[in-house]
Amino acid sequence: DVKVTQSSRYLVKRTGEKVFLECVQDMDHENMFWYRQDPGLGLRLIYFSYDVKMKEKGDIPEGYSVSREKKERFSLILESASTNQTSMYLCASRLQGANSGNTIYFGEGSWLTVV
Amino acid sequence: GQQVMQIPQYQHVQEGEDFTTYCNSSTTLSNIQWYKQRPGGHPVFLIQLVKSGEVKKQKRLTFQFGEAKKNSSLHITATQTTDVGTYFCAARSFKAAGNKLTFGGGTRVLVKP
Repeated sequence: DVKVTQSSRYLVKRTGEKVFLECVQDMDHENMFWYRQDPGLGLRLIYFSYDVKMKEKGDIPEGYSVSREKKERFSLILESASTNQTSMYLCASRLQGANSGNTIYFGEGSWLTVV
Repeated sequence: GQQVMQIPQYQHVQEGEDFTTYCNSSTTLSNIQWYKQRPGGHPVFLIQLVKSGEVKKQKRLTFQFGEAKKNSSLHITATQTTDVGTYFCAARSFKAAGNKLTFGGGTRVLVKP
């Protein structure tokens, strides 16, 4: 089974802190994603990476950055956390697909509260 | 950009009844996927539809892709308490760059026993 592991399930951070959310997948997937999930808004794509050292902005990249130094690891960074970044963050991975696309596998999620 | 709308946002269903949730896109889609997220859990892949008019069934769940490939539906018959959760569609447009999927807002299903 595909395993996508997010290092922290629950975090509480102060406004202005730098926050790292780590994600590791064990299936040698090329594509990795970071989403945030908020009630009524579904899953919104923050950043994605289609290979090592490659990254692309998603729909809501402002206030975030990412790092993909190794294929299995995709990190989300909040340079200066703000209260509007309180959310549930989901990491996901997918095998590089053809035009028909491939299943996305999600991690368990990280609940971040910024106070 | 591409927008994916899901309706209804909430669905209260009496156990044993049927219901349908709908997913509509502003653009023509190359494929659409459906995911289920149980309360406190993470989204889990259910199915992918690719062909115009395609219909797929998984036990009590029936998934349909519209003829114009701009909409999709999920119909659940004889709802059970195990169906509780949020159902998301995720759409990939022909115009989408790279491997980007756009998720709908989800339909949160509550089942009354």
